[in-house]
Amino acid sequence: KAGVTQTPRYLIKTRGQQVTLSCSPISGHRSVSWYQQTPGQGLQFLFEYFSETQRNKGNFPGRFSGRQFSNSRSEMNVSTLELGDSALYLCASSWGISTYNEQFFGPGTRLTVL
Amino acid sequence: DQQVKQNSPSLSVQEGRISILNCDYTNSMFDYFLWYKKYPAEGPTFLISISSIKDKNEDGRFTVFLNKSAKHLSLHIVPSQPGDSAVYFCAASGGGGSNYKLTFGKGTLLTVNP
Repeated sequence: KAGVTQTPRYLIKTRGQQVTLSCSPISGHRSVSWYQQTPGQGLQFLFEYFSETQRNKGNFPGRFSGRQFSNSRSEMNVSTLELGDSALYLCASSWGISTYNEQFFGPGTRLTVL
Repeated sequence: DQQVKQNSPSLSVQEGRISILNCDYTNSMFDYFLWYKKYPAEGPTFLISISSIKDKNEDGRFTVFLNKSAKHLSLHIVPSQPGDSAVYFCAASGGGGSNYKLTFGKGTLLTVNP
């Protein structure tokens, strides 16, 4: 069974640009969550999608958005990039929306904003 | 406001000895706690979890203890092995309603020396 895949693995952008990251969950998993990992803040929750609906949202500005498609694949978009957006963006999938369901993480996308 | 705290950024132990990683939380509504392990260039992998109705959960060399009155949990690894060297994240969920998002600590880097 293939794991969670994220593309691209590495990305370099400049301030003001926008970026789209992609996540393909494990087959059969319907929930996808996104996290931002930075050295100073650890793992911070961005949002969770289930059946194409955003179910939870973390404390991030509106520049961060996401969506989920009917095949459970998810994308997150960051507009007007800032230097502080440089981070590892992790996607996790689970069978259901409850965290009583184990979350499986992808390897992440390393975003560098110059 | 950091609701899940891992106050030790790093921990070093000898192979064969016990590793104890600690985690404190402030939100009394949290009712489910998890530990994840992360190797460099990989996403976090689920290790072990515990529900708030229990005070101990054991899985092989890994045991998690929960002290609800102190809002404290710990992960014990016995015996520690060099392959256990990784960053360990404590996470919690709950908070009432449909709040299933995971709140992570900043992580503790465990180094097991041969």
